[in-house]
Amino acid sequence: DGGITQSPKYLFRKEGQNVTLSCEQNLNHDAMYWYRQDPGQGLRLIYYSQIVNDFQKGDIAEGYSVSREKKESFPLTVTSAQKNPTAFYLCASSRGSTGGETQYFGPGTRLLVL
Amino acid sequence: AQRVTQPEKLLSVFKGAPVELKCNYSYSGSPELFWYVQYSRQRLQLLLRHISRESIKGFTADLNKGETSFHLKKPFAQEEDSAMYYCALSGGYNFNKFYFGSGTKLNVKP
Repeated sequence: DGGITQSPKYLFRKEGQNVTLSCEQNLNHDAMYWYRQDPGQGLRLIYYSQIVNDFQKGDIAEGYSVSREKKESFPLTVTSAQKNPTAFYLCASSRGSTGGETQYFGPGTRLLVL
Repeated sequence: AQRVTQPEKLLSVFKGAPVELKCNYSYSGSPELFWYVQYSRQRLQLLLRHISRESIKGFTADLNKGETSFHLKKPFAQEEDSAMYYCALSGGYNFNKFYFGSGTKLNVKP
């Protein structure tokens, strides 16, 4: 399964609440990514990290935050500023050594708003 | 700006028929192009990448820089090919940044 795990499988958020999605990989990959998947829109990049303690915004970073304190972990926090958080969130990793590397995806987390 | 376009949301073909999933891109430079596939209840996974120039599960894709296209083809579709297919591009100053198309759902009918 590529050695990438995401938890939880389903997550419910109340109004005004911050929630954190977990992503862990044991592939020794340098690069990690968070995508949001909405019906008919494909995957949109939220944040990505090429190396520990460094990350960059993707195309839809507003309302989200990340950290990369460990190589194997890249948690995503959906803040209360994200007004439309209901979506399927995918985490991925790649070797990232030379660029254009194959991405390996986790099983995803579905976030629902109560 | 980099962009990947998959014009067909849904493509239905009969088993044994040829199939072509279209992908066009806009990019100023030499991108890396990929096709990813998501079968029902499975993770998104790499199908093939143009740099490898290989055929996976009978699928091939040729990078046409003149037409900025990377169409996915298979001469004889099988029912197990039914899945969601995404075209993706990486490039620019940061080859670790990927852009995905909106996806094409392939339905192969018996």
